[in-house]
Amino acid sequence: TQLLEQSPQFLSIQEGENLTVYCNSSSVFSSLQWYRQEPGEGPVLLVTVVTGGEVKKLKRLTFQFGDARKDSSLHITAAQPGDTGLYLCAGQSNAGGTSYGKLTFGQGTILTVHP
Amino acid sequence: GAGVSQTPSNKVTEKGKYVELRCDPISGHTALYWYRQSLGQGPEFLIYFQGTGAADDSGLPNDRFFAVRPEGSVSTLKIQRTERGDSAVYLCASSSEGGRWAEAFFGQGTRLTVV
Repeated sequence: TQLLEQSPQFLSIQEGENLTVYCNSSSVFSSLQWYRQEPGEGPVLLVTVVTGGEVKKLKRLTFQFGDARKDSSLHITAAQPGDTGLYLCAGQSNAGGTSYGKLTFGQGTILTVHP
Repeated sequence: GAGVSQTPSNKVTEKGKYVELRCDPISGHTALYWYRQSLGQGPEFLIYFQGTGAADDSGLPNDRFFAVRPEGSVSTLKIQRTERGDSAVYLCASSSEGGRWAEAFFGQGTRLTVV
């Protein structure tokens, strides 16, 4: 069974602070996706990382895929109240006969940015 | 439609009843996914369709759960003899193709409450 452990589960910070969310597994993934979800809505894809060691930047968000493709991190610089939401990592793999259509999600990080 | 549409938005049913949840994917998307999200958790994979056929149904928890996609577009998730533990948000997603790195677009979900 593939599992993704996300930490921290909750994060409450002040506007302007930096933060990092971690996503770890003992399994290797073909790709790792990060989503943001707001209350009453479905998750919205932020980024997909596919190569070990890959770093992608999306404005103030920086995503990194571990060299061994077992872990990932999301770093937000100068957080703003609009960044508030649930952040989810999700891994994709075809190991052990698993289809690429199956995403394994972490349990999520609830981020609250106070003005 | 512009996005993935799920109906109803909310469903309250009594324990033991049968329910159907509907998903209208983005027009032209061949891949369709069902996930279930419990409070405070990340989405949990249920089933993945490629066209009309279920390519991976390994996430269906038991034989009370069944999903169909008869014409390769709209899908219905059917739950028989509902139990209180089935209460969750049921999310549907679609992508233009299945497989590696496919970007899935999620609907807003159906919140199912079994009383």
